[in-house]
Amino acid sequence: AQSVTQPDIHITVSEGASLELRCNYSYGATPYLFWYVQSPGQGLQLLLKYFSGDTLVQGIKGFEAEFKRSQSSFNLRKPSVHWSDAAEYFCAVGTNAGKSTFGDGTTLTVKP
Amino acid sequence: GAVVSQHPSRVICKSGTSVKIECRSLDFQATTMFWYRQFPKKSLMLMATSNEGSKATYEQGVEKDKFLINHASLTLSTLTVTSAHPEDSSFYICSARDPRVENIQYFGAGTRLSVL
Repeated sequence: AQSVTQPDIHITVSEGASLELRCNYSYGATPYLFWYVQSPGQGLQLLLKYFSGDTLVQGIKGFEAEFKRSQSSFNLRKPSVHWSDAAEYFCAVGTNAGKSTFGDGTTLTVKP
Repeated sequence: GAVVSQHPSRVICKSGTSVKIECRSLDFQATTMFWYRQFPKKSLMLMATSNEGSKATYEQGVEKDKFLINHASLTLSTLTVTSAHPEDSSFYICSARDPRVENIQYFGAGTRLSVL
């Protein structure tokens, strides 16, 4: 069975600073990997995904993530954080049947 | 992008009543939809996979008779919380798998259920 670990429950960064959110996964086959963002009381919005190919993937809102098979990681990065990026971020691993397992999420707070 | 509509966004009900939540894919036909439950400050827990025209597949530990799922058309799945109790209070989120795009699901905005 697949699993996802997001080691950081809560991260605080200053506006304009860089950001990295960590994600480690466990899955027996080639993983489908996702990052989602959730604003309070809202559903999830897909930021980016990795299925195959280039291990550095670009997403929306200036986010990118790098798949590292040797480390079983798929960390999310952004070079300069904006106050509007404050939200809950979820990493997920999916099967080809469409089912996804989510990490526990990382809450991002952005200081002015 | 694809849109999934979930209704209602918030519902308050009395203990013992049933509540129906709708999930619609607005611009694609979704043969597969998923229902999740999210506790405060917690991750999404998959409750069941809803397949159009067939019975839903429930995850281990989810009561089928408590959480009734119907996927009668290619654009609509419903989750009915039967005889709701305060412990059923939660945030329920649906998603729909877009068959046009490999392994992508789009999420509804969620339903906040409060059982008094």
